[in-house]
Amino acid sequence: DVKVTQSSRYLVKRTGEKVFLECVQDMDHENMFWYRQDPGLGLRLIYFSYDVKMKEKGDIPEGYSVSREKKERFSLILESASTNQTSMYLCASRRRDLGPDTQYFGPGTRLTVL
Amino acid sequence: SQQGEEDPQALSIQEGENATMNCSYKTSINNLQWYRQNSGRGLVHLILIRSNEREKHSGRLRVTLDTSKKSSSLLITASRAADTASYFCATDGAAGNKLTFGGGTRVLVKP
Repeated sequence: DVKVTQSSRYLVKRTGEKVFLECVQDMDHENMFWYRQDPGLGLRLIYFSYDVKMKEKGDIPEGYSVSREKKERFSLILESASTNQTSMYLCASRRRDLGPDTQYFGPGTRLTVL
Repeated sequence: SQQGEEDPQALSIQEGENATMNCSYKTSINNLQWYRQNSGRGLVHLILIRSNEREKHSGRLRVTLDTSKKSSSLLITASRAADTASYFCATDGAAGNKLTFGGGTRVLVKP
């Protein structure tokens, strides 16, 4: 079974702190994604990566950065956390194959910024 | 911006009844997928329908796709309390290998 894990289920940080959210997948997937989920807005794509050291902006990249130094690990970084970044963060991965494929999600990290 | 829009936003039914939810999207797609999310958890893939397919079944799930109307529906037959969850549609367009999600439908199945 594909397994996507996230470093924390719950996280509480203070405004201005630097925050790291880690995601690891064990299926050698090329593509990895970071979403945030807010009530009524569904999932919105923050950043994604097609390969090591590659990154692409999603729909809402402002205030975030990412790092992909190893294929299995994709980190989301909040350089200076703000209260409007309080949200559920979901990581996902999938293969890069040509055909359609499912995307596998981690359990999510609920981040609260005070 | 959201590609998919689910309707209704919330649905409450009795166990044993059918639940139907709809998804509309805006641009051309390669395929459309439905996911389920139990409260506070990650998303679980339910079913994928390709753009050249019109209907697909998986157990108690039935998905339809109408590309002329840019819409899809998910039917859960003989619902169970365990079906209580949020359901999301996601489109996989021609632009690249990433999904775009709708706002979701919250389904409550009362025992």
